[in-house]
Amino acid sequence: DIVMTQSPDSLAVSLGERATINCKASQSLLHTSTNKDYLAWYVQKAGQPPKLLLYWASTRESGVPDRISGSGSGADFTLTISSVQPEDVAVYYCQQFYTSPLTFGGGTKVEIK
Amino acid sequence: EVQLLESGGDLVQPGRSLRLSCAASGFNFGDYAMHWVRQIQGKGLEWVAGITWNSDSIGYGDSVKGRFTISRDNAKNLLFLEAKSLRVEDTALYYCGKGSGRRSFEWRPVDYWGQGTPVTVSS
Repeated sequence: DIVMTQSPDSLAVSLGERATINCKASQSLLHTSTNKDYLAWYVQKAGQPPKLLLYWASTRESGVPDRISGSGSGADFTLTISSVQPEDVAVYYCQQFYTSPLTFGGGTKVEIK
Repeated sequence: EVQLLESGGDLVQPGRSLRLSCAASGFNFGDYAMHWVRQIQGKGLEWVAGITWNSDSIGYGDSVKGRFTISRDNAKNLLFLEAKSLRVEDTALYYCGKGSGRRSFEWRPVDYWGQGTPVTVSS
C-alpha cells in the first residue's frame, strides 16, 4: 500500500501570512501514460464532511480561491495558502488515487495565531 | 444539485453485521465511481471501499478486506456497504462519496460527500 505522510501535524499562522503543508508518498504518484500526478487535497471544517480542493496535484476544483495552490510531482507535494483567512481554519488531507487502496495522509490542522 | 444521503448506521455488537445505504440524486449515478470513506471521531480519514461506474473494478482498504462488500444498483441510484464480522475498531462515521471523472476506469478523488451515517460497534 502507498503510505502518505503529512507534515506538520498542525500549524498556527497569522492572518494574511502563508501556510505550507507537505505531503510525501512512499512511491511516485506520477502516472507515466498520462503524465499526471494522482494526488488530491481535501479540506475538512469542524462538523462538516471533507471537501475536494485540488486534484492532479495542482488543479483547483471549481470555486476554490486562487490563494490555495498545490505543487510538487512524483512523491513530494505541497499545499500552499498564500494569505491565510479566518475561513481557512480547518484540517487538510492529501490523498493518493494512483492505486487501490486509496490512502490519505494523517491530516494537518491549520489554526490562526 | 448533487445529494448523497447515507443511512443504515446503528449500534451493533461485535461480530454482527450491518448494511449501509447511500441514495444518490442530482447526477447520472450510473456514470460515476462511488466510494465509502470512514472517520473515527476526532481522527483522520480512511478509504473503506470503491466501486467503478459499471462495477468492473472494486477495491477495499486493508482493514476491511474480506469482511466488507461494496455494491451498487444503478437502476435505483443506490450504493451499499455490507459490513460483516464487525469489530470495535470499525466504530466510525461512514461517508458516501461520488468519484470524479465520468465513466473512468481509473480511480478518481471524491468530489461530493454525504453527511455520513454513524456506526458504533460495542457490547
